Amino acid sequence: SQKIEQNSEALNIQEGKTATLTCNYTNYSPAYLQWYRQDPGRGPVFLLLIRENEKEKRKERLKVTFDTTLKQSLFHITASQPADSATYLCALPYTGFQKLVFGTGTRLLVSP
Amino acid sequence: GAGVSQSPRYKVAKRGQDVALRCDPISGHVSLFWYQQALGQGPEFLTYFQNEAQLDKSGLPSDRFFAERPEGSVSTLKIQRTQQEDSAVYLCASSLPSGPTTEAFFGQGTRLTVV
Repeated sequence: SQKIEQNSEALNIQEGKTATLTCNYTNYSPAYLQWYRQDPGRGPVFLLLIRENEKEKRKERLKVTFDTTLKQSLFHITASQPADSATYLCALPYTGFQKLVFGTGTRLLVSP
Repeated sequence: GAGVSQSPRYKVAKRGQDVALRCDPISGHVSLFWYQQALGQGPEFLTYFQNEAQLDKSGLPSDRFFAERPEGSVSTLKIQRTQQEDSAVYLCASSLPSGPTTEAFFGQGTRLTVV
């Protein structure tokens, strides 16, 4: 069955450094992959979508890569700030585009 | 409103009680989804509507769970005879018609605690 893995341990980094989060998947051939941010007590907020034919996508301080051979996506936040502290979720479409399957999320803590 | 609205924000139910959770999607959004999120986990799909049609209910964990969207806007998720394992955050999301750039907009969720 389809499986998405994200590092369940929290990632602690210092302000100004680059945070890198990993999303690995098996038994999928997704047409795209999405990343969401979730703050405590809130619903996920969409950040970026990357298609299978795109190797890299950027938005301000965010960069996402998508390696369909390795079945992996990397999510980078450059020049990290304490306000970036949150849980980051990757999500893949299941059948067609009607349903998203989410990873467990990785909690990022950025210290001043 | 500007975003997806869910009510109530918190619900405490006694085991065996029925509950109803409401979702007001973004106006004009055709697709509506319900997800269940356990503590420390990612959201798990429950069901999907396109307008008033429930096209996928494969994620509903048992026949105690029922969802409806009778007029293609507001949706209600009903849980009958609640059990402790139903305790979770229930998230509603809406989006424009599904396609390669579908972005889901989530509400804040309803935290259900069954005691």
